[in-house]
Amino acid sequence: GQNIDQPTEMTATEGAIVQINCTYQTSGFNGLFWYQQHAGEAPTFLSYNVLDGLEEKGRFSSFLSRSKGYSYLLLKELQMKDSASYLCAVRKYNTDKLIFGTGTRLQVFP
Amino acid sequence: NAGVMQNPRHLVRRRGQEARLRCSPMKGHSHVYWYRQLPEEGLKFMVYLQKENIIDESGMPKERFSAEFPKEGPSILRIQQVVRGDSAAYFCASSPLGQGSRGTEAFFGQGTRLTVV
Repeated sequence: GQNIDQPTEMTATEGAIVQINCTYQTSGFNGLFWYQQHAGEAPTFLSYNVLDGLEEKGRFSSFLSRSKGYSYLLLKELQMKDSASYLCAVRKYNTDKLIFGTGTRLQVFP
Repeated sequence: NAGVMQNPRHLVRRRGQEARLRCSPMKGHSHVYWYRQLPEEGLKFMVYLQKENIIDESGMPKERFSAEFPKEGPSILRIQQVVRGDSAAYFCASSPLGQGSRGTEAFFGQGTRLTVV
């Protein structure tokens, strides 16, 4: 089976940096995705890691350690519009379905 | 290039009726996935389809639920004899390629919010 854990909620201040962690247990790992989802809207793709290390894309970065079953999403220079749920999802080898965690609801305060 | 299109956006059905949810993938995408999201919960995989084929339906309830992706036209998720517990947001996603390689992320539609009264 697979198990994906993320904190349920986080809060941060506008302009700050926040790190959202995700741990997973799965066999046949083939990539980890981060999606952003605003309330009532579709999830939108943020990042993809399949090899260990850091992927940077503007204000967002994502890190993966396959040996530790661990990833984090780093958001810099937080803006109010970053208030949303952040979903960690794992893809298994030889399948294309994504297994999602329950998501982390981030609230950014002024 | 239009994104993944789902309709209707909102659907209300009485218990016992049928619900039909439609999904048109992005142009050039031949892989379609359906997910269900209950309030305050994560996305749960239901079924993965390619044109005219069901590849993985391990997340589909055994009864009342079915999905298809015909050669022509949108993918359809059908729920027969709906019950209150079927009330959820149903998201469709599409991707251009099969096995994992960079750039094969799935793009999601806006979802259909089904309410069973």
